[in-house]
Amino acid sequence: EVQLVESGGGLVQPGGSLRLSCAASGFAFSSYAMGWVRQAPGKGLEWMSTISTSGSNVYYADSVKGRFTISRDNSKDTLYLQMSSLRAEDTALYYCTGLVPGLGAFNLWGQGTMVTV
Amino acid sequence: IVMTQSPDSLAVSLGERATINCKSSQSVFHSSNNVNYLAWYQQKPGQPPKLLVYWASTRNSGVPDRFSGSGSGTDFTLVISSLQAEDVAVYYCQQYHSPPTWTFGQGTKVEI
Repeated sequence: EVQLVESGGGLVQPGGSLRLSCAASGFAFSSYAMGWVRQAPGKGLEWMSTISTSGSNVYYADSVKGRFTISRDNSKDTLYLQMSSLRAEDTALYYCTGLVPGLGAFNLWGQGTMVTV
Repeated sequence: IVMTQSPDSLAVSLGERATINCKSSQSVFHSSNNVNYLAWYQQKPGQPPKLLVYWASTRNSGVPDRFSGSGSGTDFTLVISSLQAEDVAVYYCQQYHSPPTWTFGQGTKVEI
């Protein structure tokens, strides 16, 4: 069974930091680009960041560029999001996502981890 | 790129057709491989989104054929041909554009 399980969310003060993790199982993690999409309470979806299969290419939304860092460990089938200088507007449910290269779409989703600033 | 969906919400009778529109501020057509990088997602309450359609009109594996996507360039449509009770959800369009960025529409709530 394909699974993405996020962890690391919680309550943090403005200006603080948090590291999210996403443990993947049931599929070839190293063959998928991975990303983070967030959803503020009662709001729509917002793409945050994507990392290529090898980790050599990373992409960020302007709203988090310079504050968030995405990384992955293919030996551990785990995706990370290091968040710093957090603001109240970063409060959201953060979803870990997987993309088949070339699809342009997120075909794998975790259940999300809540971050409250 | 800004993605604008219409309507924001719609109520459709069971068995009737639901139509959701999505307009991109720029073309999402990639001439290098003749692909419109436009996807549709369904999100039910308390659940993560589920990919329904990618490349504007290709249904994802396991998606019922009552869901169909169409369009090219900047204008796209998701049609639910015969609405079922389990289709009540919020639907999002999403584009992929180079340099790699992904943008979602604001969502359309579908009710019975």
